[in-house]
Amino acid sequence: DIVVTQTPLSSPVTLGQPASISCRSSQSLVHSDGNTYLSWLQQRPGQPPRLLIYKISNRFSGVPDRFSGSGAGTDFTLKISRVEAEDVGLYYCMQASQFPYTFGQGTKLEIK
Amino acid sequence: QLQLQESGPGLVQPAETLSLTCIVSGGSISSSSYHWGWMRQPPGKGLQWIGSIYYSGTTYYNPSLQSRVTISVDTSKNQFSLKVSSVTAADTAVYYCARLTVGPSTGAFEIWGQGTMVTVSA
Repeated sequence: DIVVTQTPLSSPVTLGQPASISCRSSQSLVHSDGNTYLSWLQQRPGQPPRLLIYKISNRFSGVPDRFSGSGAGTDFTLKISRVEAEDVGLYYCMQASQFPYTFGQGTKLEIK
Repeated sequence: QLQLQESGPGLVQPAETLSLTCIVSGGSISSSSYHWGWMRQPPGKGLQWIGSIYYSGTTYYNPSLQSRVTISVDTSKNQFSLKVSSVTAADTAVYYCARLTVGPSTGAFEIWGQGTMVTVSA
């Protein structure tokens, strides 16, 4: 199985300041079709997960442009340019390049 | 727009079989562009992929659960189902169903149900 490791596990951030979450996989996530199926999901308290970013850096429909994704191979990053109160919650990276699909442990974003 | 809704018992006895259904509305389950997945999240913990199914019936399971899990699809009812046998307290979790658009589109779980809490207890 591909192990996906997120850091940090907790991120206290001041409103209006940037935040960054790292995701590292135990092996390359480049699929045989040439795509890298690394996505980021947000889970607000009491809510189901919501897709933010797919294939490393593509924002899903309706996602604010303060969210961005980057990376390649085994190292990926989610950045929030200016954190807003509604961004509080858990963030997960997930790989769908190889079965079994696997998630990172989750990063808790909270306001200082 | 497409919506997913999980349904099933909220309480299951130890050693019994957990059975959940995901009802798909606002769109058809019968498309080769998607597969339909089950995930779970134990209280206070992270997400785990349980398995996925195509409308054709082809399934993929997490090896850690494969011996106890069955996922099936009923295209006539536009729904898919999950069964987990011989449950223990470790199977207590919120169970989610979701749709993934297969590559090279998004290759991600775009649409999720609200989730249903299942507790395993006598």
